[in-house]
Amino acid sequence: QQQVKQSPQSLIVQKGGISIINCAYENTAFDYFPWYQQFPGKGPALLIAIRPDVSEKKEGRFTISFNKSAKQFSLHIMDSQPGDSATYFCAASEETAGGTSYGKLTFGQGTILTVHP
Amino acid sequence: DAGVTQSPTHLIKTRGQQVTLRCSPKSGHDTVSWYQQALGQGPQFIFQYYEEEERQRGNFPDRFSGHQFPNYSSELNVNALLLGDSALYLCASSPTGGLGGYTFGSGTRLTVV
Repeated sequence: QQQVKQSPQSLIVQKGGISIINCAYENTAFDYFPWYQQFPGKGPALLIAIRPDVSEKKEGRFTISFNKSAKQFSLHIMDSQPGDSATYFCAASEETAGGTSYGKLTFGQGTILTVHP
Repeated sequence: DAGVTQSPTHLIKTRGQQVTLRCSPKSGHDTVSWYQQALGQGPQFIFQYYEEEERQRGNFPDRFSGHQFPNYSSELNVNALLLGDSALYLCASSPTGGLGGYTFGSGTRLTVV
Protein backbone atom coordinates (compact mmCIF):
# COMPACT_ATOMS: atom_id res chain seq x y z
CA GLN A 1 0.00 0.00 0.00
CA GLN A 2 3.06 2.21 0.26
CA GLN A 3 4.02 2.00 -3.41
CA VAL A 4 4.20 4.85 -5.85
CA LYS A 5 4.29 3.70 -9.46
CA GLN A 6 5.85 5.97 -12.07
CA SER A 7 5.80 5.84 -15.86
CA PRO A 8 7.39 5.97 -18.35
CA GLN A 9 10.87 4.79 -17.35
CA SER A 10 12.40 6.97 -20.05
CA LEU A 11 11.16 9.76 -22.27
CA ILE A 12 12.65 11.51 -25.28
CA VAL A 13 11.18 14.78 -26.50
CA GLN A 14 12.25 17.49 -28.89
CA LYS A 15 13.11 20.98 -27.74
CA GLY A 16 9.92 22.97 -27.32
CA GLY A 17 7.77 19.89 -26.83
CA ILE A 18 5.70 18.83 -23.83
CA SER A 19 7.04 16.20 -21.43
CA ILE A 20 4.48 14.25 -19.41
CA ILE A 21 5.31 11.90 -16.54
CA ASN A 22 2.65 9.98 -14.64
CA CYS A 23 2.43 8.54 -11.15
CA ALA A 24 -0.12 6.47 -9.27
CA TYR A 25 -0.35 5.76 -5.57
CA GLU A 26 -2.30 3.41 -3.33
CA ASN A 27 -2.12 4.85 0.16
CA THR A 28 -5.06 7.22 0.62
CA ALA A 29 -3.33 8.74 3.67
CA PHE A 30 -0.79 10.43 1.40
CA ASP A 31 -1.40 14.17 1.41
CA TYR A 32 1.75 15.71 -0.04
CA PHE A 33 2.98 14.98 -3.55
CA PRO A 34 6.33 16.48 -4.58
CA TRP A 35 8.29 16.09 -7.77
CA TYR A 36 12.07 16.00 -7.63
CA GLN A 37 14.64 16.62 -10.36
CA GLN A 38 17.98 14.87 -10.15
CA PHE A 39 21.07 15.49 -12.25
CA PRO A 40 23.92 12.95 -12.40
CA GLY A 41 26.07 13.07 -9.28
CA LYS A 42 23.61 15.29 -7.41
CA GLY A 43 20.87 14.75 -4.89
CA PRO A 44 17.20 15.21 -5.76
CA ALA A 45 16.05 18.83 -5.84
CA LEU A 46 12.44 19.79 -5.16
CA LEU A 47 10.80 21.02 -8.34
CA ILE A 48 7.15 21.50 -7.46
CA ALA A 49 4.67 19.97 -5.01
CA ILE A 50 0.92 19.72 -4.58
CA ARG A 51 -1.55 18.88 -1.85
CA PRO A 52 -4.86 17.11 -2.57
CA ASP A 53 -7.05 20.15 -1.92
CA VAL A 54 -6.25 21.45 -5.43
CA SER A 55 -6.36 19.69 -8.81
CA GLU A 56 -3.59 21.63 -10.51
CA LYS A 57 -0.56 23.71 -9.62
CA LYS A 58 1.60 25.63 -12.05
CA GLU A 59 5.04 27.11 -11.53
CA GLY A 60 6.61 28.52 -14.66
CA ARG A 61 6.89 25.76 -17.26
CA PHE A 62 6.07 23.03 -14.73
CA THR A 63 2.52 21.92 -13.91
CA ILE A 64 1.24 19.20 -11.60
CA SER A 65 -2.19 17.73 -12.35
CA PHE A 66 -3.79 15.80 -9.50
CA ASN A 67 -6.73 13.37 -9.64
CA LYS A 68 -7.66 12.36 -6.11
CA SER A 69 -10.40 9.90 -7.07
CA ALA A 70 -8.08 8.05 -9.46
CA LYS A 71 -5.14 8.35 -7.06
CA GLN A 72 -2.98 9.66 -9.87
CA PHE A 73 -0.85 12.73 -10.44
CA SER A 74 1.31 13.89 -13.29
CA LEU A 75 4.04 16.37 -14.15
CA HIS A 76 3.83 18.38 -17.35
CA ILE A 77 6.90 20.25 -18.59
CA MET A 78 5.95 22.78 -21.22
CA ASP A 79 8.41 24.09 -23.82
CA SER A 80 10.93 21.43 -22.80
CA GLN A 81 14.58 22.52 -23.01
CA PRO A 82 17.83 20.52 -23.26
CA GLY A 83 18.67 21.78 -19.75
CA ASP A 84 15.62 19.89 -18.48
CA SER A 85 17.35 16.59 -19.34
CA ALA A 86 17.53 14.82 -15.98
CA THR A 87 15.88 12.07 -13.95
CA TYR A 88 12.51 13.00 -12.48
CA PHE A 89 11.01 11.35 -9.42
CA CYS A 90 7.52 11.62 -8.10
CA ALA A 91 7.05 11.05 -4.40
CA ALA A 92 4.33 11.00 -1.79
CA SER A 93 4.16 11.42 1.94
CA GLU A 94 1.71 11.64 4.80
CA GLU A 95 2.22 15.05 6.34
CA THR A 96 -0.81 15.38 8.56
CA ALA A 97 0.26 16.74 11.91
CA GLY A 98 -0.27 14.09 14.52
CA GLY A 99 0.20 11.28 12.04
CA THR A 100 2.93 8.72 12.33
CA SER A 101 4.70 9.18 9.02
CA TYR A 102 6.38 12.52 9.77
CA GLY A 103 6.76 13.29 6.12
CA LYS A 104 8.58 10.09 5.15
CA LEU A 105 8.86 10.18 1.36
CA THR A 106 7.93 7.20 -0.81
CA PHE A 107 9.49 7.63 -4.25
CA GLY A 108 8.58 6.37 -7.68
CA GLN A 109 11.18 4.55 -9.75
CA GLY A 110 12.13 7.61 -11.77
CA THR A 111 11.88 8.79 -15.37
CA ILE A 112 14.96 9.62 -17.41
CA LEU A 113 14.04 12.62 -19.58
CA THR A 114 16.13 13.48 -22.62
CA VAL A 115 15.35 16.68 -24.51
CA HIS A 116 16.95 16.85 -27.95
CA PRO A 117 17.97 20.28 -29.28
CA ASP B 1 23.09 29.83 3.36
CA ALA B 2 24.62 26.39 3.02
CA GLY B 3 22.25 23.61 2.12
CA VAL B 4 22.58 20.03 3.30
CA THR B 5 26.21 18.98 3.30
CA GLN B 6 27.39 15.38 3.29
CA SER B 7 30.81 13.84 3.70
CA PRO B 8 32.64 12.14 2.23
CA THR B 9 31.43 12.45 -1.38
CA HIS B 10 32.88 9.10 -2.41
CA LEU B 11 34.00 6.07 -0.44
CA ILE B 12 35.33 2.64 -1.30
CA LYS B 13 35.13 -0.10 1.34
CA THR B 14 35.79 -3.81 1.47
CA ARG B 15 33.05 -6.32 2.18
CA GLY B 16 32.71 -6.90 5.94
CA GLN B 17 34.05 -3.47 6.91
CA GLN B 18 32.15 -0.72 8.69
CA VAL B 19 31.46 2.78 7.38
CA THR B 20 30.28 6.09 8.85
CA LEU B 21 28.68 8.78 6.71
CA ARG B 22 28.06 12.31 7.95
CA CYS B 23 25.43 14.94 7.32
CA SER B 24 24.98 18.58 8.33
CA PRO B 25 21.41 19.74 7.81
CA LYS B 26 20.40 23.03 6.28
CA SER B 27 20.47 25.90 8.73
CA GLY B 28 17.23 26.03 10.71
CA HIS B 29 16.32 22.41 10.00
CA ASP B 30 15.80 20.03 12.92
CA THR B 31 14.87 16.72 11.28
CA VAL B 32 17.23 14.49 9.32
CA SER B 33 16.29 11.52 7.19
CA TRP B 34 18.57 9.09 5.38
CA TYR B 35 17.80 7.43 2.06
CA GLN B 36 19.58 4.77 0.01
CA GLN B 37 19.49 5.14 -3.76
CA ALA B 38 20.64 2.15 -5.78
CA LEU B 39 21.70 2.77 -9.36
CA GLY B 40 18.69 3.45 -11.57
CA GLN B 41 16.24 3.36 -8.67
CA GLY B 42 14.33 5.85 -6.57
CA PRO B 43 15.58 6.66 -3.07
CA GLN B 44 14.49 4.25 -0.33
CA PHE B 45 13.85 5.51 3.21
CA ILE B 46 16.30 4.18 5.82
CA PHE B 47 15.39 6.13 8.98
CA GLN B 48 14.60 9.53 10.39
CA TYR B 49 16.06 11.38 13.37
CA TYR B 50 14.34 14.07 15.39
CA GLU B 51 15.35 15.40 18.80
CA GLU B 52 18.36 13.06 18.78
CA GLU B 53 16.19 9.95 18.55
CA GLU B 54 15.31 7.56 15.74
CA ARG B 55 11.66 8.34 15.16
CA GLN B 56 10.86 5.89 12.39
CA ARG B 57 12.64 3.32 10.32
CA GLY B 58 12.28 1.80 6.89
CA ASN B 59 12.82 -1.81 5.88
CA PHE B 60 16.55 -1.96 6.54
CA PRO B 61 18.44 -4.42 8.77
CA ASP B 62 20.00 -3.55 12.11
CA ARG B 63 23.38 -3.27 10.38
CA PHE B 64 22.19 0.23 9.53
CA SER B 65 22.25 2.55 12.52
CA GLY B 66 22.45 6.26 13.07
CA HIS B 67 22.80 9.12 15.45
CA GLN B 68 21.73 12.72 15.68
CA PHE B 69 23.76 15.24 17.65
CA PRO B 70 22.52 18.28 19.62
CA ASN B 71 23.44 20.56 16.70
CA TYR B 72 21.08 18.45 14.51
CA SER B 73 23.90 16.93 12.44
CA SER B 74 23.66 13.21 11.88
CA GLU B 75 25.67 10.09 11.14
CA LEU B 76 24.75 6.92 9.32
CA ASN B 77 26.68 3.79 10.26
CA VAL B 78 26.65 0.56 8.30
CA ASN B 79 28.31 -2.55 9.77
CA ALA B 80 29.39 -5.76 8.05
CA LEU B 81 29.19 -4.22 4.60
CA LEU B 82 27.77 -6.31 1.77
CA LEU B 83 28.28 -5.82 -1.94
CA GLY B 84 24.58 -4.91 -2.15
CA ASP B 85 25.15 -1.91 0.11
CA SER B 86 26.83 -0.15 -2.79
CA ALA B 87 24.63 2.87 -3.46
CA LEU B 88 24.25 6.62 -3.19
CA TYR B 89 23.35 7.53 0.38
CA LEU B 90 21.32 10.68 0.65
CA CYS B 91 20.71 12.84 3.66
CA ALA B 92 17.64 15.09 3.70
CA SER B 93 16.64 17.71 6.25
CA SER B 94 13.37 19.40 7.11
CA PRO B 95 12.63 22.53 9.17
CA THR B 96 9.45 21.50 10.91
CA GLY B 97 9.82 18.14 12.57
CA GLY B 98 9.57 16.34 9.26
CA LEU B 99 6.69 18.20 7.67
CA GLY B 100 6.84 20.77 4.91
CA GLY B 101 9.21 19.12 2.53
CA TYR B 102 12.80 17.99 2.55
CA THR B 103 16.04 19.39 1.17
CA PHE B 104 18.48 16.76 -0.04
CA GLY B 105 22.24 16.76 0.00
CA SER B 106 24.33 15.59 -2.94
CA GLY B 107 24.94 12.26 -1.29
CA THR B 108 27.81 9.91 -0.53
CA ARG B 109 28.62 7.35 -3.20
CA LEU B 110 29.57 4.14 -1.38
CA THR B 111 31.21 1.33 -3.32
CA VAL B 112 31.71 -2.01 -1.58
CA VAL B 113 34.28 -4.30 -3.22
